[in-house]
Amino acid sequence: IAGITQAPTSQILAAGRRMTLRCTQDMRHNAMYWYRQDLGLGLRLIHYSNTAGTTGKGEVPDGYSVSRANTDDFPLTLASAVPSQTSVYFCASSELAGVSDTQYFGPGTRLTVL
Amino acid sequence: RKEVEQDPGPFNVPEGATVAFNCTYSNSASQSFFWYRQDCRKEPKLLMSVYSSGNEDGRFTAQLNRASQYISLLIRDSKLSDSATYLCVVNGGTYKYIFGTGTRLKVLA
Repeated sequence: IAGITQAPTSQILAAGRRMTLRCTQDMRHNAMYWYRQDLGLGLRLIHYSNTAGTTGKGEVPDGYSVSRANTDDFPLTLASAVPSQTSVYFCASSELAGVSDTQYFGPGTRLTVL
Repeated sequence: RKEVEQDPGPFNVPEGATVAFNCTYSNSASQSFFWYRQDCRKEPKLLMSVYSSGNEDGRFTAQLNRASQYISLLIRDSKLSDSATYLCVVNGGTYKYIFGTGTRLKVLA
């Protein structure tokens, strides 16, 4: 593995179903992030984690949860998917959580909720 | 007013042309600034950070104007491979990365 991987690449999901998007990084970065990207809105932060064991809410956290059991993995869970959660989801990481730290992004997961 | 605003474009330019994009931000306390490049259906990738003194990386020059609250990206000698969407990112605090909606560039042969 090199960098950040996300799974699945794409998914079509029925409304009301539970879904977990996976994210793994091998750079030993402390901070990790989940964003969603929608047309005309840019990337918006869902949740973040500055180190294993801690998480925080971003701009649009409702309907999503995260966990950070270890440094490498940062899964995003939709407890009961709704059509408005149709989006492209990007996981990102940075070495630290400082304001000047560069974020590195995974390839994204395209999720469609019907 | 959006926190970060960009002209969505598209900017259609011929190969070899020079093109410039601006990005305005509303929070005067913003501390760091970046340009990312995003190819269609791919993840954003860092193009360059933007420093107060301005910085250059090959054909790319980024500048910051704190007084007028904008950053700029200049691309000289445009290549077909420069065709992409360019995202302006402003950081206003820990975890607070604000992304613009992007400016689309098409370089034409």
